[in-house]
Amino acid sequence: DTVLTQSPALAVSPGERVTISCRASESVSTGMHWYQQKPGQQPKLLIYGASNLESGVPARFSGSGSGTDFTLTIDPVEADDTATYFCQQSWNDLTFGSGTKLEIK
Amino acid sequence: EVQLVESGGGLVQPGRSLKLSCAASGFTFSNYGMAWVCQAPTKGLEWVASISTGGGNTYYRDSVKGRFTISRDNAKNTLYLQMDSLRSEDTATYYCARVETTRVSGIYFDYWGQGVMVTVSS
Repeated sequence: DTVLTQSPALAVSPGERVTISCRASESVSTGMHWYQQKPGQQPKLLIYGASNLESGVPARFSGSGSGTDFTLTIDPVEADDTATYFCQQSWNDLTFGSGTKLEIK
Repeated sequence: EVQLVESGGGLVQPGRSLKLSCAASGFTFSNYGMAWVCQAPTKGLEWVASISTGGGNTYYRDSVKGRFTISRDNAKNTLYLQMDSLRSEDTATYYCARVETTRVSGIYFDYWGQGVMVTVSS
């Protein structure tokens, strides 16, 4: 299986720019997707195909990358963005990253 | 509005069975592949199983092959997960999710239910 590696946690202040990374153990082309999960809620799709913004998601969120290295950027960060962010690939089987917990200071 | 509502979870003893249901509304159910994704307490997400639009093709993660069966009833707009020979490690919240597939982007989940808890314990 393709392993997706994410940093476990980040803390930023409102108004700042934050980048959340996801590294794949092998190339997944642009088959990378990002989800936001707030405490006690189901995941919500933010970005699909590495860089495509899901309908209804604020333009503060953006995605980039291809191959093995991907980034989710939030600019500017708001207090409501407190959540865990997961990456997911489907190029080789279907796997999720372990998640990055974002704290807004 | 797309809605996915899971039911059927609960506490079950190891080795026993449980059947989850997911009632879909707000979209043409028969036009979409569907999936189950689980999340153990305080853990990450794991894909469990997927099914094609007509139900003819099913896919499972290795750890549930031969124990879980995904199915759907397009006339009832409902997705199912039959869980047999349950183990303690199956304890998790199970989410029903709608599958979106594109040639360029691959497979992803654009709508999720609120989840249902399954606890396997004696």
